[in-house]
Amino acid sequence: EVQLVESGGDLVQPGGSLRVSCAASGFTFSSYSMTWVRQAPGKGLEWVANINQDGRDKYYVDSVEGRFTISRDNADNSLYLQMDSLRAEDTAVYYCARERRTWGDYYYFYYMDVWGKGTTVTVSS
Amino acid sequence: QSVLAQPPSASGTPGQRVTISCSGSSSNMGSNNVNWYQQLPGTAPKLLIYSNNQRPSGVPGRFSGSKSGTSASLAISGLQSEDEADYYCAARDDSLNGWVFGGGTKLTVL
Repeated sequence: EVQLVESGGDLVQPGGSLRVSCAASGFTFSSYSMTWVRQAPGKGLEWVANINQDGRDKYYVDSVEGRFTISRDNADNSLYLQMDSLRAEDTAVYYCARERRTWGDYYYFYYMDVWGKGTTVTVSS
Repeated sequence: QSVLAQPPSASGTPGQRVTISCSGSSSNMGSNNVNWYQQLPGTAPKLLIYSNNQRPSGVPGRFSGSKSGTSASLAISGLQSEDEADYYCAARDDSLNGWVFGGGTKLTVL
């Protein structure tokens, strides 16, 4: 069974750091780009960061650039998000998701097809 | 404020057909496909429609999607009580090398 399981969410003080993890199973992890998406309480979905298959290409939403670092360990089938200088507005459920890319008639189709259940990060004093 | 625009709410009675719209710009929906996600209360998002109009295995045929230019829509026919959920559109954005989402539409089955 294809599965993603997040862990590491916690209560942390403003300015603090936290690393959340995502364990992948049931598929060849190293063949897929991966993404972190977050959802603040009562709010919609927001893309946070993604990373390509070998970990060399990483992209971030502006609001976390310079504070968050996405990484992966293909030998361990794991995805990580290191979060530093945390702010109250980073409070959210953090989901990891698998990215897919398939060729259509004229261009690639992109979608996130498998999601974990999420891990909760609360930034508060 | 979300990059993709969706109505915040929609409603219908059992058996009815409802549609949810989504609009974007040239850097996202204008040059990439649209996907739709269903989020039941207290659960993670689930892929509902991908590549504009494709249904993953297990998604009922009552759900369909379409896209034209920078606009897309999700249609749900034969509405059922279990369809009550939040629905999000999403697309890859070329200027971000990442993803943009709509703000979500809360569907109520009356």
